[in-house]
Amino acid sequence: GAVVSQHPSWVICKSGTSVKIECRSLDFQATTMFWYRQFPKQSLMLMATSNEGSKATYEQGVEKDKFLINHASLTLSTLTVTSAHPEDSSFYICSARAGSYNEQFFGPGTRLTVL
Amino acid sequence: LAKTTQPISMDSYEGQEVNITCSHNNIATNDYITWYQQFPSQGPRFIIQGYKTKVTNEVASLFIPADRKSSTLSLPRVSLSDTAVYYCLVGDYNQGGKLIFGQGTELSVKP
Repeated sequence: GAVVSQHPSWVICKSGTSVKIECRSLDFQATTMFWYRQFPKQSLMLMATSNEGSKATYEQGVEKDKFLINHASLTLSTLTVTSAHPEDSSFYICSARAGSYNEQFFGPGTRLTVL
Repeated sequence: LAKTTQPISMDSYEGQEVNITCSHNNIATNDYITWYQQFPSQGPRFIIQGYKTKVTNEVASLFIPADRKSSTLSLPRVSLSDTAVYYCLVGDYNQGGKLIFGQGTELSVKP
């Protein structure tokens, strides 16, 4: 099946710094990628949808200036958490969809801890 | 996007068949029904997808009645490794493919 990777798998940073998370589709071209965050014992919350070469569409309540998303190629999307604070500590998961396929393939997730 | 309702948790024993039912009363004509499995600190894993009637693959079956207002994921002969959270989602993938996750069902399989 299709594989989606994320890097890093975990990251610890100081408050006020920025962190970039990469999401790659390894064996298919992803026309659309999605970013989710998940707090402990909670469900996944969709943050934004990104299409290759265009601006991301953010869900209501998600700060676009804080969570910068770039989908520069058909195999790579990045999420940058700017000026991270402890409340941004969470599990960030990306998914990718190929063209007209109905299935989304999820990455393994990135654990962000902000001290 | 149609909202889904599932039991918060279920318990089972190894070797039993587990059926998890999901309600989606407002499902639209173009919506598909998809089930995902998630283990702690991992991304969700696709289990099965269907539109109507019954779909079966190597790990599960999905039963969808004619009115499509609910669906049932059936896991045959569960093992301890099936302990996970199971999410039912509905969505029209031709309209951007957004998936809105509900609360999911936490399945606990005991020896």
